[in-house]
Amino acid sequence: GQNIDQPTEMTATEGAIVQINCTYQTSGFNGLFWYQQHAGEAPTFLSYNVLDGLEEKGRFSSFLSRSKGYSYLLLKELQMKDSASYLCAVVSGTYKYIFGTGTRLKVLA
Amino acid sequence: DVKVTQSSRYLVKRTGEKVFLECVQDMDHENMFWYRQDPGLGLRLIYFSYDVKMKEKGDIPEGYSVSREKKERFSLILESASTNQTSMYLCASRQGEFDTGELFFGEGSRLTVL
Repeated sequence: GQNIDQPTEMTATEGAIVQINCTYQTSGFNGLFWYQQHAGEAPTFLSYNVLDGLEEKGRFSSFLSRSKGYSYLLLKELQMKDSASYLCAVVSGTYKYIFGTGTRLKVLA
Repeated sequence: DVKVTQSSRYLVKRTGEKVFLECVQDMDHENMFWYRQDPGLGLRLIYFSYDVKMKEKGDIPEGYSVSREKKERFSLILESASTNQTSMYLCASRQGEFDTGELFFGEGSRLTVL
């Protein structure tokens, strides 16, 4: 079957660093996305990895290891506004996006 | 700024009613998608459309139909709403099958069926 696993919930302190992991088992792989979703709002694009390695974009970085079926999203210098759900999604076919259930991150003052 | 607009943010309907959820994108995108989002289940694909008047079933099409008469508009139809269709519905669009694949989402339509 096709499966994506990510932790349900994480808590971190303002100013800290947090790493959200995502492991996947899919029949195909055309890339992995991370989306941020604030409560009641649309998911918004954070990052895309298709090759192994680290992609850095400001305070956010995303890492991919295709051989391990593993990705993580790293958030540095956490801010209160980073409290949101973070969705990992694998593109396993031309029109097939498989989403994880999301990780709800709470940032505490 | 790219924009995907869903016509209704919140709807309350009764069992058996016909429900229309509308989605419009202003980016001239080829592909459009309808997902539902439920706690603990993630986003699940209901239907997608790769071009005008073209549609394909996703993973959970039962009880739904779609219409794409114009490129910018993709409608989701619940012919006879049932309580198990209470959910958050998300529309998304994408430039085309050969782009990077980023999906642009609307803000969602939260449907409650009583």
